[in-house]
Amino acid sequence: AQTVTQSQPEMSVQEAETVTLSCTYDTSESDYYLFWYKQPPSRQMILVIRQEAYKQQNATENRFSVNFQKAAKSFSLKISDSQLGDAAMYFCAYRRLQGAQKLVFGQGTRLTINP
Amino acid sequence: EAGVAQSPRYKIIEKRQSVAFWCNPISGHATLYWYQQILGQGPKLLIQFQNNGVVDDSQLPKDRFSAERLKGVDSTLKIQPAKLEDSAVYLCASSFQQNTRNTEAFFGQGTRLTVV
Repeated sequence: AQTVTQSQPEMSVQEAETVTLSCTYDTSESDYYLFWYKQPPSRQMILVIRQEAYKQQNATENRFSVNFQKAAKSFSLKISDSQLGDAAMYFCAYRRLQGAQKLVFGQGTRLTINP
Repeated sequence: EAGVAQSPRYKIIEKRQSVAFWCNPISGHATLYWYQQILGQGPKLLIQFQNNGVVDDSQLPKDRFSAERLKGVDSTLKIQPAKLEDSAVYLCASSFQQNTRNTEAFFGQGTRLTVV
């Protein structure tokens, strides 16, 4: 079974600085998706960024980028120029490519932005 | 485009009572998911539907939880009887189609259940 681990329960960063959230996962499959979701107090999960395992190039979305290390099964999220609106719970998630495509989530990291 | 709609937003019940949650997915989305998110944890899949058929219910406590998706659109998740450990946020999500490379899941705002 696939597992996702986020070892940082909480992180904080000064506004405008850069922060990196860590995630490791375990799978025996060679092709899959990895995601970072943001969950603000409204509880709605919002997709931040997606990485396909067969792509070697790291995904980027504006101020958000990932460092995908397939051999190490590591998938970290870097947030540049942090803004107050980035404060939320962040979840790393894994999804198989074939078959039942449920998302397997990590435990989450609470990100605080200090003004 | 309307998002995934869930109701109610909040529910407080006593243990051993029953409760039902409703989800209306994005129009045209064939796949619907129910996740349970206990405080301080990531969401865990309870059940996944493809149209009105069940794809995965391996983690659904079937002695007390049930779900249906009539006509392949709206879905209802029921708990009967509720236990204290069922206190959680119940998230519904939908996606366009299973078994495609580029299928994003969209989430509703969830129902926060408190069992006292």
